[in-house]
Amino acid sequence: DTGVSQNPRHKITKRGQNVTFRCDPISEHNRLYWYRQTLGQGPEFLTYFQNEAQLEKSRLLSDRFSAERPKGSFSTLEIQRTEQGDSAMYLCASSSGVSEPQHFGDGTRLSIL
Amino acid sequence: GESVGLHLPTLSVQEGDNSIINCAYSNSASDYFIWYKQESGKGPQFIIDIRSNMDKRQGQRVTVLLNKTVKHLSLQIAATQPGDSAVYFCAEKAGTALIFGKGTTLSVSS
Repeated sequence: DTGVSQNPRHKITKRGQNVTFRCDPISEHNRLYWYRQTLGQGPEFLTYFQNEAQLEKSRLLSDRFSAERPKGSFSTLEIQRTEQGDSAMYLCASSSGVSEPQHFGDGTRLSIL
Repeated sequence: GESVGLHLPTLSVQEGDNSIINCAYSNSASDYFIWYKQESGKGPQFIIDIRSNMDKRQGQRVTVLLNKTVKHLSLQIAATQPGDSAVYFCAEKAGTALIFGKGTTLSVSS
């Protein structure tokens, strides 16, 4: 069990650029979640996958955000036309069941110049 | 909307003391609760969980208590160590997503 892996760990980009983050969940976990965390706050839910199906999206997930999990394994989160307000830590988590612990990766810290 | 809050933003203890971190939740439909520890630059690390059909659960040096009557959750850490210094979050689950509070920063001095 190597844990949830996220890449890159840090991303610095100019406003208006597109960015993509990757998450590799724990291998036997079929549930995958994306959260966003800003400084001093707890993580906020963005979206949820069960296998390859995206089953739930938060209202925080604007039209500029898209997430995929094409083969039910790794997932990507893309942000188009980044804005200053997108600066945050983007966290991925996975779990083996609906009432099983969600295990988090160490996140991708996004900074918008 | 529903949210999970913590009573104190910071808690300072001496090494060897027992620590108690408190959390109040507002959604009576929540049926699953988790405590996480987050160190600087890292993601939340699972500590212990409890389901709503229980009122106490023990782990290694940690105990979680759930009081559904007053919608209160607490994390007790026995013999606190400097390595326990971190931000602690409680989270509740009533559907798919975890709902986190703002966290309590635990500082342990030796």
